[in-house]
Amino acid sequence: RKEVEQDPGPFNVPEGATVAFNCTYSNSASQSFFWYRQDCRKEPKLLMSVYSSGNEDGRFTAQLNRASQYISLLIRDSKLSDSATYLCVVRDAQAGTALIFGKGTTLSVSS
Amino acid sequence: GAGVSQSPRYKVAKRGQDVALRCDPISGHVSLFWYQQALGQGPEFLTYFQNEAQLDKSGLPSDRFFAERPEGSVSTLKIQRTQQEDSAVYLCASSRDSRVSARSEQFFGPGTRLTVL
Repeated sequence: RKEVEQDPGPFNVPEGATVAFNCTYSNSASQSFFWYRQDCRKEPKLLMSVYSSGNEDGRFTAQLNRASQYISLLIRDSKLSDSATYLCVVRDAQAGTALIFGKGTTLSVSS
Repeated sequence: GAGVSQSPRYKVAKRGQDVALRCDPISGHVSLFWYQQALGQGPEFLTYFQNEAQLDKSGLPSDRFFAERPEGSVSTLKIQRTQQEDSAVYLCASSRDSRVSARSEQFFGPGTRLTVL
């Protein structure tokens, strides 16, 4: 079983839609949580860290449920430029600072 | 400011050939990571350096893979006797802090796309 699991999608939504991605992780010792964005044939870039209390950055909201080992990302008012793959990422204490990535969820926003 | 750079961006190798992939991290970054990303997958950890010390190589898939960072800046990932299953994008990332800083952001380079024929 993979440590970080995501629905690969693709999610196809119209501009202006609200879309939510979910992710589960298997290691309860995981300490840090992130969402990265990866455009086609580009490197991953940090979108936002995820905190226990939940956090928001403009149109993006991330939530963490440690009891259920579940992370979510909500994108409101989707833009064409949001089209990308969204990678759920955790870091375990035992793994040091190495990041553990999910396979990613592909989002396609159309006009 | 310069980000993480990698070279070559693309490499085609014949099976059995040795390859060397280079990473130039952001100047002053202590930590350096190598990841392997196969098609349709997320990146997978290969190895980690803190300055010149290779502190974790648990992700290297076989003894054909070797990485070094002799002066604590530039790093090279070498793959000996390449196999078709080595075809992937090899990503390098650096971060400012050492392993004790759990939230330190990792900045990724553009990757080297390796194709083994």
